[in-house]
Amino acid sequence: QKEVEQNSGPLSVPEGAIASLNCTYSDRGSQSFFWYRQYSGKSPELIMSIYSNGDKEDGRFTAQLNKASQYVSLLIRDSQPSDSATYLCAVSRNDYKLSFGAGTTVTVRA
Amino acid sequence: KAGVTQTPRYLIKTRGQQVTLSCSPISGHRSVSWYQQTPGQGLQFLFEYFSETQRNKGNFPGRFSGRQFSNSRSEMNVSTLELGDSALYLCASSHSGAGNYEQYFGPGTRLTVT
Repeated sequence: QKEVEQNSGPLSVPEGAIASLNCTYSDRGSQSFFWYRQYSGKSPELIMSIYSNGDKEDGRFTAQLNKASQYVSLLIRDSQPSDSATYLCAVSRNDYKLSFGAGTTVTVRA
Repeated sequence: KAGVTQTPRYLIKTRGQQVTLSCSPISGHRSVSWYQQTPGQGLQFLFEYFSETQRNKGNFPGRFSGRQFSNSRSEMNVSTLELGDSALYLCASSHSGAGNYEQYFGPGTRLTVT
């Protein structure tokens, strides 16, 4: 079992729709959860961090965390073509050692 | 504030050689982590340094090593290069303040081993 698993892509959504990305993790000791966006040929860019159960909103992005279910998700509202990228879920035990999922590629079609 | 910088950006080496990559963290950040990204294995943690000490290490052979200097700049070294070491090597820095575990990545060094 992989430490961090993400829903397999690619995920294609129409412009203006909601993109929903899911991530599960196996280490119950995980305390910090992150979403990174990576454009092709570029390095990962941090877009959301979440540490407590519940929702955290930042602009068009909402992260949701459920530690009991070992599940974290990312919603992208009003998807734009510029959101087309690979989204990486990362978790850590608060020790700066990030474990990454394989990523979900999102394509927003105009 | 300037971001994380990595040098060189691209590197071509031959099997058996060794290579040193450099990373300068965001000003004020004291933690530096290194990751390897390949199409097959994804992003994998190599090691993390704080105050010139390695605090954590991933599951990589001893050919991979690193160090951190007093100004928080970090280097990683790969000795006896193998074809499988071809990858994007990413450095990430973190403020390492209480409760803040966010890491910010540099642009990476693309290493090709021939």
